[in-house]
Amino acid sequence: EVVMTQSPATLSVSPRERATLSCRASQYVGSNLAWYQQKPGQAPKLLMYGASTRATGIPARFSGSGSGTEFTLTISSLRSEDFAVYYCQQYNNWPPAWTFGQGTLVEIK
Amino acid sequence: QLQLQESGPGLVKSSESLSLTCSVSGDSISSSSYYWVWIRQSPGKNLEWIGSIYYSGSAFYNPSLKSRVTMSIDTSKNQFSLKLRSVTAADTALYYCARLDGGLYYNYGLDVWGQGTTVTVSS
Repeated sequence: EVVMTQSPATLSVSPRERATLSCRASQYVGSNLAWYQQKPGQAPKLLMYGASTRATGIPARFSGSGSGTEFTLTISSLRSEDFAVYYCQQYNNWPPAWTFGQGTLVEIK
Repeated sequence: QLQLQESGPGLVKSSESLSLTCSVSGDSISSSSYYWVWIRQSPGKNLEWIGSIYYSGSAFYNPSLKSRVTMSIDTSKNQFSLKLRSVTAADTALYYCARLDGGLYYNYGLDVWGQGTTVTVSS
């Protein structure tokens, strides 16, 4: 099983500041990585796939980078609606054996 | 607009089976462009992929759950289902159904999710 490790567990950021979230895979996953945002009481929402492609309707302040085993999600200028939990997910396998990271909480500083 | 809605018992006794259905509205479940997926989220908030099924009925399961899971799809009713056998307290979770835009040759992510349904396993 590919283990996904996210860091930090909690990130305290002020509005309009930049947030950088990390995700590491225990083995090579290429660019087969997605990011999801989850707000309290809501289902996860797709932000990014292919490590760096924004999903439909996702604003440009969200960007993704990385490949192989190291990935980053950057939010360039945090807005109030961006405070949430963010999960990475690898999907390198077929047949699928997808796994998620444990999440990073982005909270208001 | 595509919508997914989970339904099923919120309380299941330990050692029995959990059965959930996801009803799809706003598009056909028979599209060849998508897989239909079950994900669960534990009380500790960890997300776990349970399995994926194609409109043809071809299904793939999480290896850690494979011995207890069966997914099925009913294209006439535009819904798909999950059955998890021999449940324990560790199966207590929020269960989501979702759509995968992709398959063998590409993967554009889990782009539509249901609101989730809580299942508690009681002893």
